[in-house]
Amino acid sequence: ELKVEQNPLFLSMQEGKNYTIYCNYSTTSDRLYWYRQDPGKSLESLFVLLSNGAVKQEGRLMASLDTKARLSTLHITAAVHDLSATYFCAVVGEAGNQFYFGTGTSLTVIP
Amino acid sequence: KAGVTQTPRYLIKTRGQQVTLSCSPISGHRSVSWYQQTPGQGLQFLFEYFSETQRNKGNFPGRFSGRQFSNSRSEMNVSTLELGDSALYLCASAVGGPTEAFFGQGTRLTVV
Repeated sequence: ELKVEQNPLFLSMQEGKNYTIYCNYSTTSDRLYWYRQDPGKSLESLFVLLSNGAVKQEGRLMASLDTKARLSTLHITAAVHDLSATYFCAVVGEAGNQFYFGTGTSLTVIP
Repeated sequence: KAGVTQTPRYLIKTRGQQVTLSCSPISGHRSVSWYQQTPGQGLQFLFEYFSETQRNKGNFPGRFSGRQFSNSRSEMNVSTLELGDSALYLCASAVGGPTEAFFGQGTRLTVV
C-alpha cells in the first residue's frame, strides 16, 4: 500500500526562524501536492509539483520535489504567526484519481 | 468563479440513522472525490466519480456509498451510522482527476 510520511508531526517555532517539513512517499509518483488546513476549515492548495527537481515559492514558503529520493520538502523562511496551520503533503496513486495524504504537520508559530 | 460547495456544513445524527451529504463542484469540473478526515486516521479516500461513473473506491464498508449526477453534483450516503463515522467529510473537485484538486469547506458529521 502506498504510504506517505511527514515529519515532524508537530512543530513549534519562534517568529523569524526557518524550518523544513519533510514528506517521504513510497510510490514512484512524479506529482506531489502541498495543502494547508486551518482549524475546522478545508484544505487550501499551496503547491503542485509536477516533475523531478521542481521548486516553487510563494511568500515565505518554498516547496521542492526529488522524485528519485521520493522526498519533498516544505521550507519556511522567517516564520510569522499567520503561517500557523496544519500542512499536508499528498501524492496521487497509480489510478491517477486518488490522493494519498501524509499525516500532516501541525505548525505553531510563537511570537 | 464559484468554489466547491458542500451542504450541509454541520450535521448531528443518531447511531443507526442514515445521512446524505452533497457536493457541487466547480463549474466545468467533472471529477468529484470524497475524503473522510478524523484525528485518528487522518485523511482517507472514500471514492471518486467522473461523468457519473465511480472510477475508484477506498477501503470503506458498503455502508458508504455515493453517486454523481449529470450536472456533476455528487452525493454520498452513509447508512446505519456508527459513532466512528463522526468526521469531517471533504469533497474535492477537479477537471478530470486530481491534477489540481480544489476542496470544499467540508461537512462536519457528529454521530451521537
